[in-house]
Amino acid sequence: AQKVTQAQTEISVVEKEDVTLDCVYETRDTTYYLFWYKQPPSGELVFLIRRNSFDEQNEISGRYSWNFQKSTSSFNFTITASQVVDSAVYFCALSGYYDKVIFGPGTSLSVIP
Amino acid sequence: GAVVSQHPSRVICKSGTSVKIECRSLDFQATTMFWYRQFPKKSLMLMATSNEGSKATYEQGVEKDKFLINHASLTLSTLTVTSAHPEDSSFYICSASWRREGLNTQYFGPGTRLTVL
Repeated sequence: AQKVTQAQTEISVVEKEDVTLDCVYETRDTTYYLFWYKQPPSGELVFLIRRNSFDEQNEISGRYSWNFQKSTSSFNFTITASQVVDSAVYFCALSGYYDKVIFGPGTSLSVIP
Repeated sequence: GAVVSQHPSRVICKSGTSVKIECRSLDFQATTMFWYRQFPKKSLMLMATSNEGSKATYEQGVEKDKFLINHASLTLSTLTVTSAHPEDSSFYICSASWRREGLNTQYFGPGTRLTVL
C-alpha cells in the first residue's frame, strides 16, 4: 500500500524566515514518483516538482529546494526567505509508474508579514 | 504546459437533483482520467479512475451508483453526482494523464465547487 505522511498540520512563520515542510512516504514499488503541490485559497493545484525514485539529487528552484532521501523515505521541501504569497496548503504526493496519485494530508503554511 | 478544464467551476443545487461535472483535456489525449474529492481543510481523496471506453474503477467506499463516471472520449470525462444531498457538497478535482516519452504525467483541472442546499 502507498501512503504519504505530512506530520505538520499547520505552520506559521514570519516573513523572510526559512521553513521546511516534511514529507514521509511508504511504497513497495521500486519505481515511483514524488510530487509537491501548492494549493492557494482559490483551490487550484499548482504543480511544484516531480522526482522519480532513481534520482536522489536535491533540487533548487529559486527560493524553493527539495531534499529527497530514500534511506529515510523522505522528500522534504524548504522555502527560503518566505513571503506572504507563499501562504497556502502544500501537499506532498506519491504515485507508481502507472498509478493514481496519492496525496498526503497537507500542511497549511501561514506567512505573517 | 498541458491544460485541463472543468465545467462548471461552481454549482449550487437543491437536494435531490443530479449534477454533471465535465473534465476536458484541451490540448492532449488523456489515456486515463482521475476524479478526486476534497472536503474543506482536508486532502484530496481519489474517488475513481477512468479509461476511455471502459468502466471506471472506484476506490473503496465510493458509491458507484451515486457518482457516475463516463469517459466518452480521450479528451472528456464526466462525473455525475446523482440525487445530491448536502453531504455531497465538496470540491471535486479531475486530472488527466498523458503518456509522453514513456512517462505518464498528470495534469489537474481547476476544480468544481459543489454546494447542495
